[in-house]
Amino acid sequence: DVKLVESGGGLVKPGGSLKLSCAASGFTFSSYTMSWVRQTPEKRLEWVATISSGGSYTYYPDSVKGRFTISRDNAKNTLYLQMSSLKSEDTAMYYCTRDPGGNSHYFDYWGQGTTLTVSS
Amino acid sequence: DIQMTQSSSSFSVSLGDRVTITCKASEDIYNRLAWYQQKPGNAPRLLISGATSLETGVPSRFSGSGSGKDYTLSITSLQTEDVATYYCQQYWSTLTFGAGTKLELK
Repeated sequence: DVKLVESGGGLVKPGGSLKLSCAASGFTFSSYTMSWVRQTPEKRLEWVATISSGGSYTYYPDSVKGRFTISRDNAKNTLYLQMSSLKSEDTAMYYCTRDPGGNSHYFDYWGQGTTLTVSS
Repeated sequence: DIQMTQSSSSFSVSLGDRVTITCKASEDIYNRLAWYQQKPGNAPRLLISGATSLETGVPSRFSGSGSGKDYTLSITSLQTEDVATYYCQQYWSTLTFGAGTKLELK
């Protein structure tokens, strides 16, 4: 079975940094594009970042571009999200997700999420 | 970015009802639409992709339709386990989600 397990969330002060991890199992991790999606306290879902299967290509919305960096270690079956210059509006549950492949960027598997709170 | 509008944030339903949830894009998204179901405390679950393709394991009482800017998720004969929040997501361009429609039992 596909399993995605996030870790690394916590409480961070504005302007601070944090790195999230996602351990993947149950599928050939290196064959899939992966993404992070967050859900705000108001329950709004927002796409945060996407990385190609080999790691060569990354994509971000303007809201996090230049502050967040998505990366992966295919040898360790692990996805990462390095977040810096954090703002209160980054407070959310962060989900690791799998892109089903091809030219379709939706999310067929989700982890259970890890919570980030940005507050002084 | 393309804005996704789900016309109702919530509505009350009864078991056995036929339920229709709508999602309207601010421009044509060429059927690049997914629907997700989220129950409290759980991650979203993919139900439908490509506007109409049901994911494996999703009950056949769920169906998707639409084209252009207007899309619909239908549930025939609502079951208890279908009480949840439903989100649409377009993937024609920069990925965006609707705000969600929460189903509540009367």
